[in-house]
Amino acid sequence: SQQGEEDPQALSIQEGENATMNCSYKTSINNLQWYRQNSGRGLVHLILIRSNEREKHSGRLRVTLDTSKKSSSLLITASRAADTASYFCATDDSGTYKYIFGTGTRLKVLA
Amino acid sequence: DAGVIQSPRHEVTEMGQEVTLRCKPISGHDYLFWYRQTMMRGLELLIYFNNNVPIDDSGMPEDRFSAKMPNASFSTLKIQPSEPRDSAVYFCASRRAGGNTGELFFGEGSRLTVL
Repeated sequence: SQQGEEDPQALSIQEGENATMNCSYKTSINNLQWYRQNSGRGLVHLILIRSNEREKHSGRLRVTLDTSKKSSSLLITASRAADTASYFCATDDSGTYKYIFGTGTRLKVLA
Repeated sequence: DAGVIQSPRHEVTEMGQEVTLRCKPISGHDYLFWYRQTMMRGLELLIYFNNNVPIDDSGMPEDRFSAKMPNASFSTLKIQPSEPRDSAVYFCASRRAGGNTGELFFGEGSRLTVL
């Protein structure tokens, strides 16, 4: 399979709680990106982390990257009902422009 | 900027018919990608172009699928003949070469149902 794996596949939390989702990938990369997809819509870019970075923050988002384990995590702090969506990681396959997406985590934030 | 524009948004057709999906990338973007999304297989990269030239079409499932990019502002994905297993949401995305974010900009997708 060309895809990476994300876990959990689905996550349900209460508003205000933190949400953590994980991504594993298979090839060497230059960078890893996280995207969000609302139901019935296209994907929207959230954040990019380069292979020489270990952690990156953007607002309520925190991304970590462990290239030795070929894994990344996305943390959303103080979640809101509006964060309800599917979240995908994407890697540039062996440093090409061929972006491979993971299987996604469906997040539901209950108000 | 209007973003990546895809048409049609929804298409229902019968098995055996030809389907053409269209995409207008963001002006100035050098790369264009076609993805297919299904519940079973997730997001699959079908093909991508750089400066209108196909770079990697290894994800195109079979000869029934073809994609073209006649100019920098237009691309098509054609399925002929269509089959029920082609039912999916097809996304087009574009990006600039280089840049700091490496961000892909996605269209809203074309939902295809083949009966």
